[in-house]
Amino acid sequence: ETGVTQTPRHLVMGMTNKKSLKCEQHLGHNAMYWYKQSAKKPLELMFVYNFKEQTENNSVPSRFSPECPNSSHLFLHLHTLQPEDSALYLCASSQGGGLAKNIQYFGAGTRLSVL
Amino acid sequence: GQQLNQSPQSMFIQEGEDVSMNCTSSSIFNTWLWYKQEPGEGPVLLIALYKAGELTSNGRLTAQFGITRKDSFLNISASIPSDVGIYFCAGQLGANNDMRFGAGTRLTVKP
Repeated sequence: ETGVTQTPRHLVMGMTNKKSLKCEQHLGHNAMYWYKQSAKKPLELMFVYNFKEQTENNSVPSRFSPECPNSSHLFLHLHTLQPEDSALYLCASSQGGGLAKNIQYFGAGTRLSVL
Repeated sequence: GQQLNQSPQSMFIQEGEDVSMNCTSSSIFNTWLWYKQEPGEGPVLLIALYKAGELTSNGRLTAQFGITRKDSFLNISASIPSDVGIYFCAGQLGANNDMRFGAGTRLTVKP
């Protein structure tokens, strides 16, 4: 148990569906992240939130829409996805601030399949 | 950007053998991290390194921060079946939140 909980663990959706991924951290951290993990590729950073403010958007298509209502919760809203969006989506959190405090702790991920 | 080259991509070893994997970059990092990911789980932090030349151990795991600040290695001694998983290196450049990940080394340990 890393203190970062992601739901659902598995999701299958059609290209016309709308779904949301949820992440909750119980570590008192101030920064939260969404990553995409595809087979045999490095983790791809998608979004970063610091103190509920989005500080990074790595050219992610608009069919992915993040939401951070507070420092403990992060959502990823999905709509009209493509089959190539199938991947493991990982949430992470960190304390934020200086180097020693910026270690990221990951959730178990949501395995997404787009049909 | 700061790309990390992690090698080898995969390793098949016998239980009891030692393992070594490394990560190199064309850019300098100020922090190096090693994570392990098991099937169906997210990456779990193994070791964090903050100074060039630093050598840190965590049980049978030892990692070093290269003196050029452009590389790091992870050694696992006397491997056991539960060492199976994918090991990722990660480099962090500055006091912002950027972290770059290697593509991972997939370790298989045969009993």
